[in-house]
Amino acid sequence: GAVVSQHPSRVICKSGTSVKIECRSLDFQATTMFWYRQFPKKSLMLMATSNEGSKATYEQGVEKDKFLINHASLTLSTLTVTSAHPEDSSFYICSAIKREDTGELFFGEGSRLTVL
Amino acid sequence: QQQVKQSPQSLIVQKGGISIINCAYENTAFDYFPWYQQFPGKGPALLIAIRPDVSEKKEGRFTISFNKSAKQFSLHIMDSQPGDSATYFCAASTGTYKYIFGTGTRLKVLA
Repeated sequence: GAVVSQHPSRVICKSGTSVKIECRSLDFQATTMFWYRQFPKKSLMLMATSNEGSKATYEQGVEKDKFLINHASLTLSTLTVTSAHPEDSSFYICSAIKREDTGELFFGEGSRLTVL
Repeated sequence: QQQVKQSPQSLIVQKGGISIINCAYENTAFDYFPWYQQFPGKGPALLIAIRPDVSEKKEGRFTISFNKSAKQFSLHIMDSQPGDSATYFCAASTGTYKYIFGTGTRLKVLA
């Protein structure tokens, strides 16, 4: 199967700082990546769709200035949580679709963000 | 119409038993129905998926049953093992690949 890698897996930061999370497709090119947020014992909430070389499409209610997404290459998308606050603490998961699509999503391992 | 309703919320099964998780959807445009398994602190991993042109798909101990007219699909885990204890999510998507996830089922298989 395809491999999607996220880094860091855990990050703790102070309130007001910015945190960047990377999502890489290791063995395939991904024209489209997705960013999800998951609260404890809850389902995955789609935050935004990231397309290589273009601006991300954000879901309703997601602040684009708070959650900056960049899809700089066919193998890398980044999520930057700007001016983080404790309520931004969550589990962030990225996923990617292979270029030769089968409709199958491959998920990263997730990144646990804790804002103090 | 974009929701995928999943039940039960939690499930306890004896080792060797059958675990059954159900999902229902409204949007007839959905054309891909995957099931994901998630362990604590990890990302979801694809278990098995089905498209509407078949009514059942089996891979090892995992079977998806799909009822297009009822707009329902279910996951059956045969011979359930303690290692199957995890949270299971159904999902549905259209050609846009925007997945709509169910609310999840926490499965616990007793040894």
